[in-house]
Amino acid sequence: EAGVAQSPRYKIIEKRQSVAFWCNPISGHATLYWYQQILGQGPKLLIQFQNNGVVDDSQLPKDRFSAERLKGVDSTLKIQPAKLEDSAVYLCASSFPGGWYGYTFGSGTRLTVV
Amino acid sequence: AQSVTQLDSQVPVFEEAPVELRCNYSSSVSVYLFWYVQYPNQGLQLLLKYLSGSTLVKGINGFEAEFNKSQTSFHLRKPSVHISDTAEYFCAVSEIASYDKVIFGPGTSLSVIP
Repeated sequence: EAGVAQSPRYKIIEKRQSVAFWCNPISGHATLYWYQQILGQGPKLLIQFQNNGVVDDSQLPKDRFSAERLKGVDSTLKIQPAKLEDSAVYLCASSFPGGWYGYTFGSGTRLTVV
Repeated sequence: AQSVTQLDSQVPVFEEAPVELRCNYSSSVSVYLFWYVQYPNQGLQLLLKYLSGSTLVKGINGFEAEFNKSQTSFHLRKPSVHISDTAEYFCAVSEIASYDKVIFGPGTSLSVIP
């Protein structure tokens, strides 16, 4: 089966600019997650979708981050305006409903804010 | 709230030697437990998971982990490591009632020395 697709792989922007990341999950996976992984740390959940509804966005900095999952398939994560501390790898993952399946991760987008 | 501790940030080990990567978790309810591996510039890949039943869980690439409820631990082991095992390893926990939310530990960097 095809994996979780993410684009772009790398992005360099200046602070205060905006950026968007795209994710296409595995077909049939109703649950989609965006994680932020800062260098040397474990992934931190930003937002979780179940189909096109938000299940958990308690860790999402809503003043600058936004995410949507229209039609319950693809998802985009946006940062506007970016700060230096947003430099990280943004990982998208998907799964069937139910925590026991484990996640399938994409390769991530490495964002550098200068 | 659930949390995960990985006691060793870096573990160097010689090729063909055994290795143990330690993981402890904190939760007031029943949990699922996972180990993920991340190779350089890639997303995370599920190594193994504990849901219920036998406390010894076998995963891919010759890894296994043992769940110890009294010590709230889920240590990862391999009897003989290879150069290709050099990677970052993340322990993760999901509370059964939390509807898929998975919390990751900070990671352990395993370096296999030829």
